[in-house]
Amino acid sequence: QVQLVQSGAEVKKPGSSVKVSCKASGGTFSSYAISWVRQAPGQGLEWMGGIIPIYGTANYAQKFQGRVTIITDESTSTAYMELSSLRSEDTAMYYCASSGHYKPLDPWGQGTLVTVSS
Amino acid sequence: ENVLTQSPGTLSLSPGERATLSCRASQSVSSSYLAWYQQKPGQAPRLLIYGASSRATGIPDRFSGSGSGTDFTLTISSLEPEDFAVYYCQQYGTSPLTFGGGTRVEIK
Repeated sequence: QVQLVQSGAEVKKPGSSVKVSCKASGGTFSSYAISWVRQAPGQGLEWMGGIIPIYGTANYAQKFQGRVTIITDESTSTAYMELSSLRSEDTAMYYCASSGHYKPLDPWGQGTLVTVSS
Repeated sequence: ENVLTQSPGTLSLSPGERATLSCRASQSVSSSYLAWYQQKPGQAPRLLIYGASSRATGIPDRFSGSGSGTDFTLTISSLEPEDFAVYYCQQYGTSPLTFGGGTRVEIK
């Protein structure tokens, strides 16, 4: 069974970038997709994008195009999400989640809180 | 994108009562690729239902899902104290993946 462990909380200045990691254990990392989902305080869930390591090409939600980059490192079974040009509205919990082909998001990482503040 | 609208926004019920949550899609959901998740405060979402009606591993049978096309329902037959939480529907048939806005089930 796949388990996902994310990096720790981050505090960033407006205009900077943040890179969050998601390390997978169990399963075959290259064959399942990793998605990134964010949740602003008191708000709902928002899909940012995803990647299938074996294909290497990420797919992004239009809202985040040009600001988000999702990559994987198969040697360490780790996925990364980098969000640039941070603003206060990017303060949120960021989750990674895995899925098979046309499968739901399961399991999820524990979440990484990113706070953007001057 | 396929917009999912959940109703009601909040459901106030007592333990033992039946909960019926609705999720309506702006476009037909491909092959019933519709999931339901439960989220409790401070926790990541947990998968309950996939394929519109299949329970995920370890999910009690008081949770059931139904529907197809654009209208889907999550039913909790008899609410347990641990079921008071926020529930989200999500479609994973087309990109971008989309979520509904959530239904909060609170204790009356």
